[in-house]
Amino acid sequence: AQKVTQAQTEISVVEKEDVTLDCVYETRDTTYYLFWYKQPPSGELVFLIRRNSFDEQNEISGRYSWNFQKSTSSFNFTITASQVVDSAVYFCALSEGDSNYQLIWGAGTKLIIKP
Amino acid sequence: EADIYQTPRYLVIGTGKKITLECSQTMGHDKMYWYQQDPGMELHLIHYSYGVNSTEKGDLSSESTVSRIRTEHFPLTLESARPSHTSQYLCASSAGAGNEKLFFGSGTQLSVL
Repeated sequence: AQKVTQAQTEISVVEKEDVTLDCVYETRDTTYYLFWYKQPPSGELVFLIRRNSFDEQNEISGRYSWNFQKSTSSFNFTITASQVVDSAVYFCALSEGDSNYQLIWGAGTKLIIKP
Repeated sequence: EADIYQTPRYLVIGTGKKITLECSQTMGHDKMYWYQQDPGMELHLIHYSYGVNSTEKGDLSSESTVSRIRTEHFPLTLESARPSHTSQYLCASSAGAGNEKLFFGSGTQLSVL
């Protein structure tokens, strides 16, 4: 069955520290998509990245990087040199089907960056 | 970047009232979704639509109903609100054939007294 586990309920770090948010997924399909979304205190979810199951290349976007490892069914998210503006709840999600209605969400990780 | 709008942003009402949460998008997306979310918790899909006159129930049982008469508009209605309906309701849309990113509205925080 599909499942997304974000074991870290809350993480608190001091500004400028690096932080990694874990995401472990379960799926029987060979074709699937993984997503990360950010939900700042304002409440609006913002898309960060989409990765399909055939592309294991890690991605870097500024201070953000993602490590996709099919061998461990993980899609971890690292913020380098964290900033207070990074404080938010981060969600990992999985989609197996042809449409987003089958998106399975993790419980989210609340990230607190202290100045 | 997102051109998807939800109103009202906050709503406090009494039990038994009928309410409609509005959601509109100007991106011409065929797919639209309603999610329910308790503060900081995971999202639960309650309704979705693939296009005009297409609506389906999601994984989470909900007493709400939706309609899709126009591509840009996807309102959600509660015929008789109850305290158990207190939650945040998020509207989203997406383009393409599938597995595309979702664009979210700012949400409606509903409190039923």
